Amino acid sequence: QVQLQESGPGLVKPSQTLSVTCNVSGGSFNNGNYYWNWIRQFPGKGLEWIGHIYYTGSTAYNPSLKSRVTISIDTSKRQFSLRLDSVTAADTAVYFCAREDCSAGSCYVGFDTWGQGTLVTVSS
Amino acid sequence: VLTQSPATLSLSPGERATLSCRASQSVTFYLAWYQQKPGQAPRLLIYDASNRATGIPARFSASGSGTDFTLTISSLEPEDSAVYYCQQSTNWPAHTFGGGTKVEIK
Repeated sequence: QVQLQESGPGLVKPSQTLSVTCNVSGGSFNNGNYYWNWIRQFPGKGLEWIGHIYYTGSTAYNPSLKSRVTISIDTSKRQFSLRLDSVTAADTAVYFCAREDCSAGSCYVGFDTWGQGTLVTVSS
Repeated sequence: VLTQSPATLSLSPGERATLSCRASQSVTFYLAWYQQKPGQAPRLLIYDASNRATGIPARFSASGSGTDFTLTISSLEPEDSAVYYCQQSTNWPAHTFGGGTKVEIK
């Protein structure tokens, strides 16, 4: 059974870079059946999709964040990472990694597996 | 934009809960539903508008297409107390979420 586990810094200063990593254990990681996503949840509870990466390294980002976001993948370590530059207090959120199943040739609508989330607070 | 209603639903165990998700433009059937309990990640309940995810009890069902979608909990259990979100992927890979409906069990 696949499990996702985020790890992050907890606290980041304004204007600095936020980096969070998701470790994937169990299940398939690089067989081409899944997209690996980052999603965040603000303190007011709204959810925002940040972007995804395929095992080949192909990425897609939320247009509202595209200029500040980089998602990368290391298949040998079974992990993928999020980098968000020039953070402000508005980036304070719980950051989740999540899996999107595309094993049927097209993607099912919905993220079927999530990590437990890691809270990142942006504050000086 | 996905608009969920009501914001809060307060019902007794055994009652039927009906949650609505309305899209500002057609999302065909590219819609999912999630349940989130405090301190936990969202849990996928429904994918592709009406299909129960693995392990989801049969009391959860969903319907709809286009702009209007409904999640129904046929007979509420105390453990169904949570916030429920809808999510659409009509402009894949972009995904957006609704604002959520909180279900309280009296």
